[in-house]
Amino acid sequence: KQEVTQIPAALSVPEGENLVLNCSFTDSAIYNLQWFRQDPGKGLTSLLLIQSSQREQTSGRLNASLDKSSGRSTLYIAASQPGDSATYLCAVRENTGTASKLTFGTGTRLQVTL
Amino acid sequence: DGGITQSPKYLFRKEGQNVTLSCEQNLNHDAMYWYRQDPGQGLRLIYYSQIVNDFQKGDIAEGYSVSREKKESFPLTVTSAQKNPTAFYLCASSIGLRGLGQYFGPGTRLTVL
Repeated sequence: KQEVTQIPAALSVPEGENLVLNCSFTDSAIYNLQWFRQDPGKGLTSLLLIQSSQREQTSGRLNASLDKSSGRSTLYIAASQPGDSATYLCAVRENTGTASKLTFGTGTRLQVTL
Repeated sequence: DGGITQSPKYLFRKEGQNVTLSCEQNLNHDAMYWYRQDPGQGLRLIYYSQIVNDFQKGDIAEGYSVSREKKESFPLTVTSAQKNPTAFYLCASSIGLRGLGQYFGPGTRLTVL
């Protein structure tokens, strides 16, 4: 059974700092991996999607990498801002048959302070 | 604007009642999903649907039911058989079951009184 772990569970950094969020998964037979942002009481906003054949994806100040063989992904946030404060979730889509199933981590709660 | 809408935003239910959560999308996506989110846990899949008039159970389908009569709509009914229904419910959709990622609605918070 696929398990997704995110470390750390919570993180507080001063504004302007670069930071890395970690995601690990137990079964490397994934189809893709997706990073989401969730603000309190809100739905999920997709940030980056990495296909299993890709090594990284970039969007603005965000860069996500994928090392499928070791079961790891990182989300790098450059020059953090208070508006980046949110919970960040990673989810993997398994490469099994026709069923589409995302397995989610429990998230990293990020706070960027002034 | 294209997107996914969920209603209501907040829902209160008395024990023993069935309630239905609405999910509508105008993205022309074929696949739709329902997830449940509890504090300290990752999202868990309740049901998903690949096409109209077809749906499959997810990991925690007991106590829930769905229908998919229209491509745009995928309502979720929380029945009285669901032992602990208080949670945040999220609906999502995707173009197909694979490939591009899933897009989420704003969620419905259900509280059982």
